[in-house]
Formats: sequence, structure tokens, C-alpha cells
Amino acid sequence: ENVLTQSPGTLSLSPGETATLSCRASQRVSSMHLAWYQQRPGQAPRLLIYSASSRATGIPDRFSGSGSETDFTLTISRLEPEDFAVYYCQQYGTSPLYSFGQGTKVEIK
Amino acid sequence: EVQLVESGGALVQPGGSLTLSCVASGFTFSGYWMHWVRQSPGKGLVWVSRINTDGTTTTYADSVKGRFTISRDNVKNTLYVQMNSLRVDDTAIYYCVTENYYGTGSLDDWGQGTLVTVSS
Repeated sequence: ENVLTQSPGTLSLSPGETATLSCRASQRVSSMHLAWYQQRPGQAPRLLIYSASSRATGIPDRFSGSGSETDFTLTISRLEPEDFAVYYCQQYGTSPLYSFGQGTKVEIK
Repeated sequence: EVQLVESGGALVQPGGSLTLSCVASGFTFSGYWMHWVRQSPGKGLVWVSRINTDGTTTTYADSVKGRFTISRDNVKNTLYVQMNSLRVDDTAIYYCVTENYYGTGSLDDWGQGTLVTVSS
């Protein structure tokens, strides 16, 4: 089973700072099949990044994704108040077929 | 604009059954693989099931296999999940989700979810 482990569990930052979120897979993941989502309180998740580094429609360029094989990173530059949320990584294609990391909460310091 | 509207969530006793629906609009529903993803209160996201464009291929998470059945009606633009033998740990918000058309495996558009509570 391919387990996605996100770190840190919580990131405390101030508006304007840069957030660096990690997603580590226990087995290799195709870069084409790694995505990131944002979930604000009380809302449904929203796709931010697909194929490890491609921004979804309407996503600001302060969000960027990188990485390959087992190590992936979501970087949020110049944090805006609306960016404080929970972020999930997700993989497709290894067992289990679809799976999510446990999430990283980005909170206001 | 893509819209996915789930309904059917309710309070149900352990061992009971429930069917959730998701009405889709704003896109060509019949052209997209569709999924159900759930989220227990205060917890993370868990993939539940997916169905291909014509409903002939379905896949399930081990935790629901044999109890849940995903289906779709491309005339009514509606996705369903029939849930049987419900357990307390099935309590969650259930989201209806589209899969990326180009095969990246990303889950592109999400409904607002419907809450299923399994409790005696």
C-alpha cells in the first residue's frame, strides 16, 4: 500500500510569508498522477495543482508544485488571508488506486 | 460553470441503507469518470468509489467493497451511490467529484457534499 505522509501537520505563518508543504509517498508515484487540494473551513476541497506542478484553472501563481517519485512539495508564496486552510496531496495509480495524505493545516501565527 | 449537487444524506441506524444522488450540470456529464469521496467529521479525505463514463466499470475502496454500489444515469445527468449495511464509521460528508478528463487522476470539480450520519 502506498501511503502519503504530509508534513508538517500544522504550519503557523504570518500573511506575506512563504509556506512549504511536503508530501512523501512510501512508493514511487508518477508525477503525472500527483495533485494538491485546498480546503477552507466549511467548504469542499478545491483542486490547486495537478500533475505535480500544473496549476488548475483560476489558481493564482503564488501556488506552485514540484517534486518527483516519492517527494513532492507545494509552495505558497506571499500568503494571503484566504490561503489559511488545510491542504491535501493525492495520488492516483498505485495501490490503493486513489489516496490522500492526512493534510497540512496552514494557520495564522 | 460546473455544478454538482448532492442529496440524500440522512441519519440512519447501523445496518441500514441509504442512496445518495448527485445532479450534474454545466458540462458533458456522460464524458467524465465520476467519483465519491468522503470526509468524516474533523478528519481527512477518503476516496470511496469511481465509475467510468458509461457505467460499465466501477471501482471501490476496500472499506466499502461489497456494501456500496456506484451507478449513473447519463440521461438524467445523475450519479448515485447505494449504501447498504451501513456502519458507524461510514458517518461522513460524501462528495460527488469529477475526474480530470485527460487522465491525470486529479479530482477536478467537487460538490458541496451531503452528510450521512450512522447512529443508533
